[in-house]
Amino acid sequence: DLVMTQSPLSLPVTLGQPASISCRSSQSLVHSDGNTYLNWFQQRPGQSPRRLIYKVSKRDSGVPDRFSGSGSGTDFTLTISRVEAEDVGVYYCMQGTHWPYSFGQGTKLEIK
Amino acid sequence: EVQLVESGGGLVQPGGSLRLSCEASGFTFSSYWISWVRQAPGKGLEWVANIKQDGSEKYYVDSVKGRFTISRDNAKNSLYLQMNSLRAEDTAVYYCARDGLAGIDYWGHGTLVTVSS
Repeated sequence: DLVMTQSPLSLPVTLGQPASISCRSSQSLVHSDGNTYLNWFQQRPGQSPRRLIYKVSKRDSGVPDRFSGSGSGTDFTLTISRVEAEDVGVYYCMQGTHWPYSFGQGTKLEIK
Repeated sequence: EVQLVESGGGLVQPGGSLRLSCEASGFTFSSYWISWVRQAPGKGLEWVANIKQDGSEKYYVDSVKGRFTISRDNAKNSLYLQMNSLRAEDTAVYYCARDGLAGIDYWGHGTLVTVSS
């Protein structure tokens, strides 16, 4: 099965500073239909996951524009331009190109 | 507003069975694939299974094949997960999640399944 590898697994960040999370897949995530089904989710403490980014770089409705996604093929990045207190939580990448779907291990973002 | 409400979780002994339900509202249920995703205590997310709009296609992660069965009733806007031969490692919060055009988008709040003697 396809493996998704995130780094770092722990990310202490100072308020107002940028943060980046890497996600690498063991094989290309380009679907036969030409799309790349790589999504990013945020899970705040005690809550269900919430999707932030879909198809690599498209921001979901209501997601602040400080969140952005980039990448292609097997290498992807979630970037937060200026971290705010409400961004604390665990971030997961997930691929929906190949069966079975798979998630990265999660990156825990905390405020320094 | 899209809503997914899971129920049916609880404590069950190893080898036992449990049936989870997920009731959907706020969207046309019959138009979407739907997934089950689980999260063991303090751990990450694991996709478990999903089912096509009309129930004609179903996919499972290897660790649950032959033990879990996903099904749906579009007339009731409901999704189910029949879990048999449960093991300690199946202990997790089980989420129902909608599969949109670009993959999983909306999630329920989850229901906790604990497998323990």
